[in-house]
Amino acid sequence: NAGVTQTPKFQVLKTGQSMTLQCAQDMNHNSMYWYRQDPGMGLRLIYYSASEGTTDKGEVPNGYNVSRLNKREFSLRLESAAPSQTSVYFCASSGRVGNQPQHFGDGTRLSIL
Amino acid sequence: QKEVEQNSGPLSVPEGAIASLNCTYSDRGSQSFFWYRQYSGKSPELIMFIYSNGDKEDGRFTAQLNKASQYVSLLIRDSQPSDSATYLCAVNMEDGNKLVFGAGTILRVKS
Repeated sequence: NAGVTQTPKFQVLKTGQSMTLQCAQDMNHNSMYWYRQDPGMGLRLIYYSASEGTTDKGEVPNGYNVSRLNKREFSLRLESAAPSQTSVYFCASSGRVGNQPQHFGDGTRLSIL
Repeated sequence: QKEVEQNSGPLSVPEGAIASLNCTYSDRGSQSFFWYRQYSGKSPELIMFIYSNGDKEDGRFTAQLNKASQYVSLLIRDSQPSDSATYLCAVNMEDGNKLVFGAGTILRVKS
């Protein structure tokens, strides 16, 4: 009964390093999402994938890339990490985009020095 | 104007009281509304969703939706210290492709 699994849970990077955050869901959901959460800012959508083979930008896509590897997996890549990308990153999934509830993973706490 | 607005709080209520959390949204075409609870250091957890005007009850929780006034609220009856958390309101925008989250309201239930 894993739901949405994110790896790693914690990571510290130096400015300019690259990294990929992994997300997998076992609920047979079509849609997957990446958010970042900063103090006082709430959750902001980075990218989403409405279905396998499609990805779209959210509110704050700059500095990130995504890959929908298959129906289960959706990864987020930071090509050249910047201190402004220090945040908590959440992956979520839902049956489809729109009016279905999203279910969240436990998050990745990322610090960039 | 922010798309989804919540009072940041903290909202403090005594144990056993009713906690009332409010959320307003800007997109008049929004159709789906969600409440999430987030404990400190944890991920958001879905509490309730509501699609139609009126009230929807689930145990101690009641969601209320008024589309004409563009607000949605969450009532927590018989509040417990374990209800102390941040409550996030999320609204599905008219284009149907994304949820927009409010910044959350901190609730503190004092025993």
